[in-house]
Amino acid sequence: DAGVIQSPRHEVTEMGQEVTLRCKPISGHDYLFWYRQTMMRGLELLIYFNNNVPIDDSGMPEDRFSAKMPNASFSTLKIQPSEPRDSAVYFCASSLVLRGREDGAFFGQGTRLTVV
Amino acid sequence: AQSVTQPDIHITVSEGASLELRCNYSYGATPYLFWYVQSPGQGLQLLLKYFSGDTLVQGIKGFEAEFKRSQSSFNLRKPSVHWSDAAEYFCAVRLGYSSASKIIFGSGTRLSIRP
Repeated sequence: DAGVIQSPRHEVTEMGQEVTLRCKPISGHDYLFWYRQTMMRGLELLIYFNNNVPIDDSGMPEDRFSAKMPNASFSTLKIQPSEPRDSAVYFCASSLVLRGREDGAFFGQGTRLTVV
Repeated sequence: AQSVTQPDIHITVSEGASLELRCNYSYGATPYLFWYVQSPGQGLQLLLKYFSGDTLVQGIKGFEAEFKRSQSSFNLRKPSVHWSDAAEYFCAVRLGYSSASKIIFGSGTRLSIRP
């Protein structure tokens, strides 16, 4: 498997524009996580899905943020409208919990978002 | 509240010296525990994990960690560090065992290696 694939790797956009980040989890994994990493706040969990269903979105900072997982192999994180304070590295991760065991979350390379 | 604490923001050790990075968690039950490493500009890579059984777990790159229930700790160790170990290290826990179980991370410890 190629691992968790995120696109784009880098995104520079102007304030007010819509931004869509994409993630392809590892095939067969049943959990998908979206994290945001900044120097000030570290790694924050934004939202996670189990079997394509959003379980907890309490980490989503504002209504400007939304996430979807239409099928087991694809998820998006959308910011509309974007603001400079959204600049961060956004990570997608996936994991598999099987018979009460798991091997941990596997991370993508991240999308570095810069909003100017 | 459930949390993960890494009390050391930055640690510098000499190459060849031993290393211990601290991690404490706050949770009512025994969680799944993980250590990850992040090199600059990269994603996070899993070093090792614990969920039951032997409290001393071995990971990749010569790292090990020991779970101590009485101290709610899961400290990462390496007997002899290499310059390539310079990176950011994150402790993480999975809270719960149902579908509503999330993985949260500590604030990280940056490791520098002195030549």
